[in-house]
Order: sequence, then structure tokens, then C-alpha cells
Amino acid sequence: GAGVSQSPSNKVTEKGKDVELRCDPISGHTALYWYRQRLGQGLEFLIYFQGNSAPDKSGLPSDRFSAERTGESVSTLTIQRTQQEDSAVYLCASSHDTRNTGELFFGEGSRLTVL
Amino acid sequence: AQSVAQPEDQVNVAEGNPLTVKCTYSVSGNPYLFWYVQYPNRGLQFLLKYITGDNLVKGSYGFEAEFNKSQTSFHLKKPSALVSDSALYFCAVRDGRSNYQLIWGAGTKLIIKP
Repeated sequence: GAGVSQSPSNKVTEKGKDVELRCDPISGHTALYWYRQRLGQGLEFLIYFQGNSAPDKSGLPSDRFSAERTGESVSTLTIQRTQQEDSAVYLCASSHDTRNTGELFFGEGSRLTVL
Repeated sequence: AQSVAQPEDQVNVAEGNPLTVKCTYSVSGNPYLFWYVQYPNRGLQFLLKYITGDNLVKGSYGFEAEFNKSQTSFHLKKPSALVSDSALYFCAVRDGRSNYQLIWGAGTKLIIKP
């Protein structure tokens, strides 16, 4: 696609429910990142995918969080048993630069509100 | 510890005046430094980067930034501010321990008043 696409753009859920967030990166981009952005704060790294290599999951805050990516295509971030502290904007970014010195292309984010 | 600091939560500038958004960093190894801008309800957009070479880097929308190794700073500047520059600005540095992770500042809200 022309840019990084994320869905849903907004999600309101009840505490304890599971949610799934989707990211469709720019075609051909091998690197994909998930970040969490809480209100008024910077970006918090969650997970990184690079091609077919094992993902770096070191930023996932708990075992309720998981993410998958099939090859170099769509990625899904799943949050199980959501808590109010999970409320944030979840940003996805992709990059074609395997040396990771280049820019990241960001989606517009998925705003999650847990009631 | 690896870190990025943006000491100002908000910067207010009159249109037409020069602007500076400050960023300092602490990272092992040679820093790769970036500035991104986030407009309301939009994703982040890349502005400019410093990898190596000339300390003064020029980027999108007339912005530039100066890498200062002795002061470990990478301040964002523009000679003449526009109202449309009003946005949230993030500084980031590539983590010296990783070849892909970025450490992000908390962001600075830039408000340009007509």
C-alpha cells in the first residue's frame, strides 16, 4: 500500500476482554515495529520483526501481550484480558532499511480505551 | 544508562521568529540521531537524521538540526516559524547496544502563535 495502515483506528473495550490490533506495512518493508504511546509520553518499544528472523519481544510488558507477523506482511498485536493501564495509542512502523539507519514509516495508530 | 531528554514539555514561538527544540542524549557508541514530528491525530513523520559527516543536518519543511558531540545534543531549529509547524516533536537515538532499537524522548509540544 501507499503507507502503513492500522486498524481499528479506535477501539473501546471492557476490562478483561481480548483485543487484536492489525498493522499492514508498506510493501517490501522487512522491518516492523510496534510501539505504545501513553498520553503525554514518548514511544515505548514493544516488539520488532525483521524478515524471517526471530522477533525481539523484549519490550512486551507482560505475557498478556503477543504479536505475530507472517513473513514480511501483516502483523497483529493481541492483548489478552485487557486492563485499564493498557489504554494507549498503539503505533506500528515499518522500514525497508535493513541497516536500520533510515527512517521509520508510521501508521496513524490504534487508540485503545479500556473501560 | 541510555537515554534521550527533551527538557521542555512545550515551546511557544511567535510566527516568523526562529525556533529551537532541545534534545540531549546519552548512548554508548556513536549515536544515530533522529527527529520526528507528530501532527494531531496523525502518525509520526520523519524530519531528519544524523548518522555521520557534517554536524549540521537539513531536513523536511525547512528544519535543521546540529549535532554537538561535546554537549551530547541534537537541537532542532528553524529560522522562521510557521503556524503550520505547530505539532509534537520527538527526538530519538539509536540504542548503542542494538542495531535497530530507538530510544525516544518524551516529546515537545511546539506552539506557533500568529
